[in-house]
Amino acid sequence: DQQVKQNSPSLSVQEGRISILNCDYTNSMFDYFLWYKKYPAEGPTFLISISSIKDKNEDGRFTVFLNKSAKHLSLHIVPSQPGDSAVYFCAASRTSGSRLTFGEGTQLTVNP
Amino acid sequence: EAGVAQSPRYKIIEKRQSVAFWCNPISGHATLYWYQQILGQGPKLLIQFQNNGVVDDSQLPKDRFSAERLKGVDSTLKIQPAKLEDSAVYLCASSTRGLGANVLTFGAGSRLTVL
Repeated sequence: DQQVKQNSPSLSVQEGRISILNCDYTNSMFDYFLWYKKYPAEGPTFLISISSIKDKNEDGRFTVFLNKSAKHLSLHIVPSQPGDSAVYFCAASRTSGSRLTFGEGTQLTVNP
Repeated sequence: EAGVAQSPRYKIIEKRQSVAFWCNPISGHATLYWYQQILGQGPKLLIQFQNNGVVDDSQLPKDRFSAERLKGVDSTLKIQPAKLEDSAVYLCASSTRGLGANVLTFGAGSRLTVL
């Protein structure tokens, strides 16, 4: 039972344009959502998070949007840079401090 | 601050052999996690420790996997006997317990290949 799904295995964008990565979840009990970025041969690193009491959280070039009714969240990167090329994982948990359930990941490639 | 340390980085074994992975979390982080990441999939939680007690091991295949965290600091994850489907990257992560988002800091991982 895949409770967190990232339906796009890969995404390619031009430098300077917007990257939009999508994530869907099925468990209505999830109330914390996070995005992690992973470079090859490294562990995932935390990028940005959002609580279910919000619908948007912004940190520099990164913005996460949450649509609870649709059980959907997205990560926007504006403007995209070649250094953003990595695998992005969406993750969700029921409460802070509990198990994180990860999606399958989306490989983002930003072309110069 | 030093990150999460893991060793070995790479291990190749034959099926039915045993293997052990070691993790040293960030100093002061009470919560430690072991995740399994199979190629093309997201990380899956195997076990979560709070200090030296197990909080969640519901997804740990207990017939072959074991983990311990003695003295609430370092942790080891053991697989015995290994199967082909255990080929994966084993990620250790740690976090502080507190309010707000549960932000885990991951190590670089230990890549296991079972032949």
